Amino acid sequence: SQQGEEDPQALSIQEGENATMNCSYKTSINNLQWYRQNSGRGLVHLILIRSNEREKHSGRLRVTLDISKKSSSLLITASRAADTASYFCATDLGGNQFYFGTGTSLTVIP
Amino acid sequence: EAQVTQNPRYLITVTGKKLTVTCSQNMNHEYMSWYRQDPGLGLRQIYYSMNVEVTDKGDVPEGYKVSRKEKRNFPLILESPSPNQTSLYFCASSRTGGYEKLFFGSGTQLSVL
Repeated sequence: SQQGEEDPQALSIQEGENATMNCSYKTSINNLQWYRQNSGRGLVHLILIRSNEREKHSGRLRVTLDISKKSSSLLITASRAADTASYFCATDLGGNQFYFGTGTSLTVIP
Repeated sequence: EAQVTQNPRYLITVTGKKLTVTCSQNMNHEYMSWYRQDPGLGLRQIYYSMNVEVTDKGDVPEGYKVSRKEKRNFPLILESPSPNQTSLYFCASSRTGGYEKLFFGSGTQLSVL
């Protein structure tokens, strides 16, 4: 499987702290996306970073991509209790199949 | 409102009884796909479709069928469900496929007894 792997599997932080989660993948990609999932619900797209980009921002989110290391990181700054969710990276290899990682479960304690 | 609608939300059935999970999108998206989510395994792609009458297998297509007769609908069919198909299923769509973000339905929790 071309599946990505998120690290850590679970993360617990205090409200106001920053949360960083990482994604590693196995082969060259076309783009990488991050999604959020609230308990058992559908995934919601957060941000897309293309293979020729190194960093991207959206509000409190910052995503980096290191092609040489085949890895990406998602940083959520000034976390809130409402950020509690699971976060998944998804890679597109240039075809029409998406490969999702196993997710990082984030808990933000008020 | 732009959305992907899946039905039903919950489904309990017995081994061997054919079932269909419906999926519909109102965004005129060309690309639609089905995933199953299992603990510790993340989301795995079952089938995807680039357009009407064009479907392709994903990573775990065994035991599933799909059809794309209309652009907006992409039903998932389990001809003879088995307990190992107990899972949380998601339908998703995007404008053109791998280059764009996916819009997900709310999910269907299927239990096969």
